[in-house]
Amino acid sequence: EAAVTQSPRNKVAVTGGKVTLSCNQTNNHNNMYWYRQDTGHGLRLIHYSYGAGSTEKGDIPDGYKASRPSQENFSLILELATPSQTSVYFCASGDAGGAETYEQYFGPGTRLTVL
Amino acid sequence: AQKVTQTQTSISVMEKTTVTMDCVYETQDSSYFLFWYKQTASGEIVFLIRQDSYKKENATVGHYSLNFQKPKSSIGLIITATQIEDSAVYFCAIGGNTRKLIFGLGTTLQVQP
Repeated sequence: EAAVTQSPRNKVAVTGGKVTLSCNQTNNHNNMYWYRQDTGHGLRLIHYSYGAGSTEKGDIPDGYKASRPSQENFSLILELATPSQTSVYFCASGDAGGAETYEQYFGPGTRLTVL
Repeated sequence: AQKVTQTQTSISVMEKTTVTMDCVYETQDSSYFLFWYKQTASGEIVFLIRQDSYKKENATVGHYSLNFQKPKSSIGLIITATQIEDSAVYFCAIGGNTRKLIFGLGTTLQVQP
């Protein structure tokens, strides 16, 4: 059974609209991550979280917010969506030994198109 | 800052042969972890194998193995007896003391029948 799930799987939004991408994990991992994947750029980290109530900025956080209300759930929020945010978004969960980073497990991805 | 470079954009091999994909990395951390992931045509990203920097023995999982050359900052992925379903994009990644992974841009593998 899938341990990291994302919803929706596909989303079409209008410029200026609000978009919320949701992620749920049953791995009981402390860390969760949001990436976007674009041709030529690979996987880029947007936001991540160490645990419920925490969020940290990744490498490309501008235009995005994140929310971690519980161990299992991590959301990515686009308050004012723009066409440049058209991409495939992946959520991942992973464990860590102190500050060390171990492998991450990915959800199936959300394809977002902003018109 | 950590960096991962995969110089091979794409590789094509015949089924049942062995293929090696290259990856070189940069890191200032004394202890770090190296990973390989597979992304299938459907977009699914799957964790394959991990190498801990302090381990001298190369990791092996099924028909995946690693060629870890620490002095060269290199971590190659070896797939033996390739199958059609091994066709995918393979990503190398590094994790250290930052709780983040840094990914390479990937190598596309095509296995021909």
